[in-house]
Amino acid sequence: GAVVSQHPSRVICKSGTSVKIECRSLDFQATTMFWYRQFPKKSLMLMATSNEGSKATYEQGVEKDKFLINHASLTLSTLTVTSAHPEDSSFYICSVRLAAYEQYFGPGTRLTVT
Amino acid sequence: AQKVTQAQTEISVVEKEDVTLDCVYETRDTTYYLFWYKQPPSGELVFLIRRNSFDEQNEISGRYSWNFQKSTSSFNFTITASQVVDSAVYFCALLPNYGGSQGNLIFGKGTKLSVKP
Repeated sequence: GAVVSQHPSRVICKSGTSVKIECRSLDFQATTMFWYRQFPKKSLMLMATSNEGSKATYEQGVEKDKFLINHASLTLSTLTVTSAHPEDSSFYICSVRLAAYEQYFGPGTRLTVT
Repeated sequence: AQKVTQAQTEISVVEKEDVTLDCVYETRDTTYYLFWYKQPPSGELVFLIRRNSFDEQNEISGRYSWNFQKSTSSFNFTITASQVVDSAVYFCALLPNYGGSQGNLIFGKGTKLSVKP
């Protein structure tokens, strides 16, 4: 069965609004979760590493104030895209690492900003 | 530099053909893991295989097989007797330095496989 869930699977929002995406580890406690972004026909780009109880670690070039990450519990991390613009439209995927070599991916959230 | 190269952007085959997806990696680390993931049109990444750097034994799982060769830094994936359901984007990924401070997955750009009936 699924190890990681994401909600919503699809979201359409208007430019200037904020949207929150949830990532849940279903059967395991995850101290570390990852957020990726995927443009159409492109590879996955790591945006940030979400650490439970501490600040997220962002990759170079990712705006911290734009993509707010909260990892409030061992099973939930949220990504909030603030003041969304059409260029933020993308496929966002979260991932849970359970061991050094076990990483599971969520089903993704397709964000469309109009 | 840590890098994964999937030189084939798109491949199109006819059902029942065999197809090999190439993956070449670069890493300074002596210990690392290599992965293949399948991403069907639905978008969810499906784990296919994991191989650590000390295990060069090739693996077969049904119609899928993987050829890991450290000498050429390659980890190629072959689908035998392809089927329409195999149509997807396939990603090769590298996880460097797993034994020490863990790195992050480094993905190739993916190969889009289209299997036509």
